[in-house]
Amino acid sequence: QSALTQPASMSGSPGQSITISCTGTSSDIGGHNYVSWYQQHPGKAPKLLIYEVTTRHSGVSSRFSGSKSFNTASLTISGLQAEDEADYYCSSYRSTTTSFVFGTGTTVTVL
Amino acid sequence: EPQTAESGGGLVPPGGSLRLSCTSSGFTFSDFWMSWARQAPGKGLEWVANIKPDGTNIHYIDSVKGRFTISRDNAKNSLYLQMNSLRAEDTALYYCARDWQWGFDSWGQGTLVTVSS
Repeated sequence: QSALTQPASMSGSPGQSITISCTGTSSDIGGHNYVSWYQQHPGKAPKLLIYEVTTRHSGVSSRFSGSKSFNTASLTISGLQAEDEADYYCSSYRSTTTSFVFGTGTTVTVL
Repeated sequence: EPQTAESGGGLVPPGGSLRLSCTSSGFTFSDFWMSWARQAPGKGLEWVANIKPDGTNIHYIDSVKGRFTISRDNAKNSLYLQMNSLRAEDTALYYCARDWQWGFDSWGQGTLVTVSS
């Protein structure tokens, strides 16, 4: 089952904003609002940031926001901080296979 | 605070079997779908399977269908993954997680499964 497509890496300076894209198809991202985003620091378990495209999970900073347009979802990190340096993954429910699929992952570097 | 903890990983030869366990606390286990996901060394996340609260509805990724079986024991707040006919490509850190609004929260620290002769 093919993964959702994310850029391999992105970088930004402290205080800047970056937007990570996640591209799928009409069978997943484009077909409903079941898109979520995760942050994973090295050697740590993933942490849920955003679910149902735009809803921040409990305790997640308001600097993280989600959106979607057609078959592409996006995660924006505003006011980039050193602690935001991590891997980020999107995920979506895929209706044709009644399964979930993750994105290829994006490594964010804070310069 | 909801928590999960995986166990049961190890080194197994190709074609072998292993049973992973996940114990949960801090939430009403019997109210939630639960999932297994995995991450091969240095690679991305891959969802593996999930199971409805009463165990009557189960879904798998195609690559494990017929080889892996997800199950749960609500009385023990526990989730399981029976893995048979293991292949080298099943080598990964296996996580259990609570399904939350079509996403996944409360990830454990994972248990490592290595398939090698």
